[in-house]
Amino acid sequence: SQKIEQNSEALNIQEGKTATLTCNYTNYSPAYLQWYRQDPGRGPVFLLLIRENEKEKRKERLKVTFDTTLKQSLFHITASQPADSATYLCALDLSNSGYALNFGKGTSLLVTP
Amino acid sequence: DAMVIQNPRYQVTQFGKPVTLSCSQTLNHNVMYWYQQKSSQAPKLLFHYYDKDFNNEADTPDNFQSRRPNTSFCFLDIRSPGLGDAAMYLCATSTRQGGIQYFGAGTRLSVL
Repeated sequence: SQKIEQNSEALNIQEGKTATLTCNYTNYSPAYLQWYRQDPGRGPVFLLLIRENEKEKRKERLKVTFDTTLKQSLFHITASQPADSATYLCALDLSNSGYALNFGKGTSLLVTP
Repeated sequence: DAMVIQNPRYQVTQFGKPVTLSCSQTLNHNVMYWYQQKSSQAPKLLFHYYDKDFNNEADTPDNFQSRRPNTSFCFLDIRSPGLGDAAMYLCATSTRQGGIQYFGAGTRLSVL
């Protein structure tokens, strides 16, 4: 079955380092992929969208790559800060429904001073 | 600021007692979604509205219903909550189907 896989283990890194989170998906080739941030007890907040014809997208300290051959997206936070600590979800339309976003379970990031 | 507002933030109900969660938006978006999210799980789409057109996910239990009386408001009705329905319920909006989604803060539902 089609699914989205994100590292289930929490990622702990030191402040100032680059955090890299992985999102893998199966079967389908989506037209785009989105990344969201979710803080405990809150709704997800949109961060970045990358399309299938884009290899890389940047926004301030954030960078997303999209490899449709590997069926993988990497999400990077450079010069990480404790305020970046949160769960990061990737989302895409697995079924090509044109309306649904299927979310991964997310990877929890903890940045320590 | 334009936003998506969910009320209440916390809701406690009894097993089998109907409950309604509400969502309002000032973004004037065409699409409104309801998700269920359990601890450490991915948000799971229950249904969505494109304007007045209702779209139910195939695996959404009949116990869950929704109403969208106008563009700004959308309600989630759980007719007979079970213990397994305890979760965070998230409302989201989008300008178009499949687009970037704007989420509310969520309603945490507890079932006693």
